[in-house]
Amino acid sequence: QVQLQESGPGLVKPSETLSLTCTVSGGSISNYYWNWIRQPPGKGLEWIGYVYNSGSTIYSPSLKSRVAISVDTSTNQFSLNLSSVTAADTAVYYCARRGRTNAFDFWGQGTMVTVSS
Amino acid sequence: DIQMTQSPSSLSASVGDRVTITCRTSHIISRYLNWYQQKPGEVPKLLIYDTSKLQSGVPSRFSGSGSGTDFTLTISGLQPEDFATYYCQQSYSVPPYTFGQGTKLDIK
Repeated sequence: QVQLQESGPGLVKPSETLSLTCTVSGGSISNYYWNWIRQPPGKGLEWIGYVYNSGSTIYSPSLKSRVAISVDTSTNQFSLNLSSVTAADTAVYYCARRGRTNAFDFWGQGTMVTVSS
Repeated sequence: DIQMTQSPSSLSASVGDRVTITCRTSHIISRYLNWYQQKPGEVPKLLIYDTSKLQSGVPSRFSGSGSGTDFTLTISGLQPEDFATYYCQQSYSVPPYTFGQGTKLDIK
C-alpha cells in the first residue's frame, strides 16, 4: 500500500519561502504524477502543481510565479517550494499521487502551515 | 481554467435517504470527473473516478453519472458514516486541475 507523508515547518514568516517534502513509501515514485494540493482553513481544495518522476512539472497559473516542485527518485521524495508567502498561503498542504485513473488516489495526511510573523 | 460549480452547497438528510449532488463544469470535460469525500479533520478520499467508476473499497451505495458538463453523485441509503463534505474534480484539462467548492452533507 502506497503511503505519503508530508514534512516541513508549520510556521513560516511573511515574504519567506515555504518548503515541504513528501516521502513516498510502499511503492515506486516512478511513472506517476506527484501533486501538491492545499486547503485553507474552512475552505475548499486548491491544486498547486505536479511533478513527474522525470522531473517535468506543471503548475497552477495562479501560483506559477512563486512555485517550484522537484523530485528526488533516489530517496522517493518530492518537494514543494512556495516563495514570497503571505497570510493567504496559510493552509493544510497535502501531497497526493495522481494514479493511472487520472484521479488523486493516495494522499498524505496533510500538514498545516501557518504564515505569520 | 475549467470552473466547477457544485449544488447544493449544503444538504441535510436522514439515514436511509437517497441524496444527489450535482457538479456542473464550464467546459465539456467528456467523462473526466472525479468525486472525493472528506470528513472533518480527515484527508480527502477518492470515491469515484471517470464519472462512474467506483474506487476500490468504496461501497456500492455510491454511484456517479453524467457526461459533458453535467455530473451527479448519488448516495443510495445514507449511512451515518456518509455525513461529510463531497468535492468534484475535473481531470480533463491541466493546468490547473480544479475542484468544486464542496457540498456539505449533514444529518437532518
